[in-house]
Amino acid sequence: EAGVAQSPRYKIIEKRQSVAFWCNPISGHATLYWYQQILGQGPKLLIQFQNNGVVDDSQLPKDRFSAERLKGVDSTLKIQPAKLEDSAVYLCASSLPVGGYTFGSGTRLTVV
Amino acid sequence: QKEVEQDPGPLSVPEGAIVSLNCTYSNSAFQYFMWYRQYSRKGPELLMYTYSSGNKEDGRFTAQVDKSSKYISLFIRDSQPSDSATYLCAMSGDQAGTALIFGKGTTLSVSS
Repeated sequence: EAGVAQSPRYKIIEKRQSVAFWCNPISGHATLYWYQQILGQGPKLLIQFQNNGVVDDSQLPKDRFSAERLKGVDSTLKIQPAKLEDSAVYLCASSLPVGGYTFGSGTRLTVV
Repeated sequence: QKEVEQDPGPLSVPEGAIVSLNCTYSNSAFQYFMWYRQYSRKGPELLMYTYSSGNKEDGRFTAQVDKSSKYISLFIRDSQPSDSATYLCAMSGDQAGTALIFGKGTTLSVSS
């Protein structure tokens, strides 16, 4: 089966600019997650979708981050405006109701 | 106290050694326990998945969960240079679809 697709792979932006990441999950996986992984840390959940709906966005910095999942398939994560501390790898994952996640390769964001 | 604690290492072993990786956790509600392997510049990939307490074996890998001690382990037998990666423990609560909480990851290097 095809894996979780993410783009772009790398992005360099200046602080206060905006950026968007795209994710296409595995076909049939209703649950989609965005995680932030700072260098040397484990992934931290930003937002969890179940089909179109948000299940958990308690750790999403809503003043600057937003995410949507249209038609219960693809998802985009946006940061506006970016801060230096947003430099990280943004990982998208999808799963069935029970079981492990399948992660994409991530988008490596550098904010300068 | 963090919910999931994992020694970041690094851990260096010779080829053929037995490797033991460990995590402790504080939330007694955790029921699903997983180990992910992450190669440099890649997304995490699922290695082992266990529910509740007990052992699970898959080839050279054995996962153990001791819920009474809130302690989980991953053992790698006959370690290979290709096992060099970061190993992340992850766990979630007893409701299906609850998002995973990750440890920081342990970096393992196996020398030939």
